[in-house]
Amino acid sequence: GQQVMQIPQYQHVQEGEDFTTYCNSSTTLSNIQWYKQRPGGHPVFLIQLVKSGEVKKQKRLTFQFGEAKKNSSLHITATQTTDVGTYFCALYNSNYQLIWGAGTKLIIKP
Amino acid sequence: SQTIHQWPATLVQPVGSPLSLECTVEGTSNPNLYWYRQAAGRGLQLLFYSVGIGQISSEVPQNLSASRPQDRQFILSSKKLLLSDSGFYLCAWSGIEGGPQYFGAGTRLSVL
Repeated sequence: GQQVMQIPQYQHVQEGEDFTTYCNSSTTLSNIQWYKQRPGGHPVFLIQLVKSGEVKKQKRLTFQFGEAKKNSSLHITATQTTDVGTYFCALYNSNYQLIWGAGTKLIIKP
Repeated sequence: SQTIHQWPATLVQPVGSPLSLECTVEGTSNPNLYWYRQAAGRGLQLLFYSVGIGQISSEVPQNLSASRPQDRQFILSSKKLLLSDSGFYLCAWSGIEGGPQYFGAGTRLSVL
């Protein structure tokens, strides 16, 4: 079945540094979604990308969809403690089931 | 506005006991409904999804079952819990196929 690889598994940053997580697929994607899960919480929808080469911004978060629609990234500029959590990419397969990446955990170094 | 309720928040059950987790959605009609399980530090595993009353699709052969007795009610059940059923169970809904999914607060189940 369709799968998506998400890297890295963890990223430790100093507060104020940037953070990036990547998702890659071997097949062309119709769309990709991004979610954030705070520690102990539930996933919260952030954004959906559908167009080739699409770039969307939400304050310090920048989401990109690759030209070939096989990869996507989430970049956070100048991380803050409120950014802590796990970021997941997810995509729908042909049966309208959401396939989830393994997630990237953002950890702020003390 | 739409809201999703999921309860209980935490549950500790002995092996072999039954399970019933309930999820309800308000403020929308005919939602697509989903049950997921998340192991600690891992991604989400789709267990069941439903596109309408009485319509349930199962993704993983297991000890669990789901039912949708009403349009906005989704129930996850087990007759006899196993140790391996421990995890974080999440209910979600979406308004359109291929659209965003919105999650309940989840139930942390510990089977001892």
